[in-house]
Amino acid sequence: AQSVTQPDIHITVSEGASLELRCNYSYGATPYLFWYVQSPGQGLQLLLKYFSGDTLVQGIKGFEAEFKRSQSSFNLRKPSVHWSDAAEYFCAVVYQTGANNLFFGTGTRLTVIP
Amino acid sequence: GAVVSQHPSWVICKSGTSVKIECRSLDFQATTMFWYRQFPKQSLMLMATSNEGSKATYEQGVEKDKFLINHASLTLSTLTVTSAHPEDSSFYICSARGRGAYEQYFGPGTRLTVT
Repeated sequence: AQSVTQPDIHITVSEGASLELRCNYSYGATPYLFWYVQSPGQGLQLLLKYFSGDTLVQGIKGFEAEFKRSQSSFNLRKPSVHWSDAAEYFCAVVYQTGANNLFFGTGTRLTVIP
Repeated sequence: GAVVSQHPSWVICKSGTSVKIECRSLDFQATTMFWYRQFPKQSLMLMATSNEGSKATYEQGVEKDKFLINHASLTLSTLTVTSAHPEDSSFYICSARGRGAYEQYFGPGTRLTVT
């Protein structure tokens, strides 16, 4: 079955510390992978995406993500977190099944401590 | 680029009335638009997918007669919640996708409160 797993419901980090948010996907074929961020009461903003090629992708706001086929993972990273990064982060996957709909993970809420 | 707007950003309506939410792609042609519902502290639940000029495809469990979706142009889709009830209160988010694309761009969402 097609699924996206974000194992961490809530993560707290100190401002300036590094961050890694985990995402694992299921299904056999290589999917298209995305990370979105949602601030409270807002829509989702696309941080980055991976379709093919270099497995380390750079996104906006200093975020990057690495696709690891062997681990079925697409973890999001940032070397130094800012207080404004506090938000909900969603990993999403498109499985190329025709409809090409987005499958979302359950989200990880990031709290940043001053 | 790839900006999607939603209007209104919040709306309060009385039980039994209908409310329309608009979703517009401002700088690209959205051949496909999606409507999601999001409950507090939860992920997005896809309600329906609409292709320009076609009838919407609803997800299982979503009442098509209650949530009317129209995608009459490449830049506008509307969601009408008919005969609204308090349990329809939620955060509704639309997204848009261009022809041949896989990524979706999201609107800012509409908070609906039914009293």
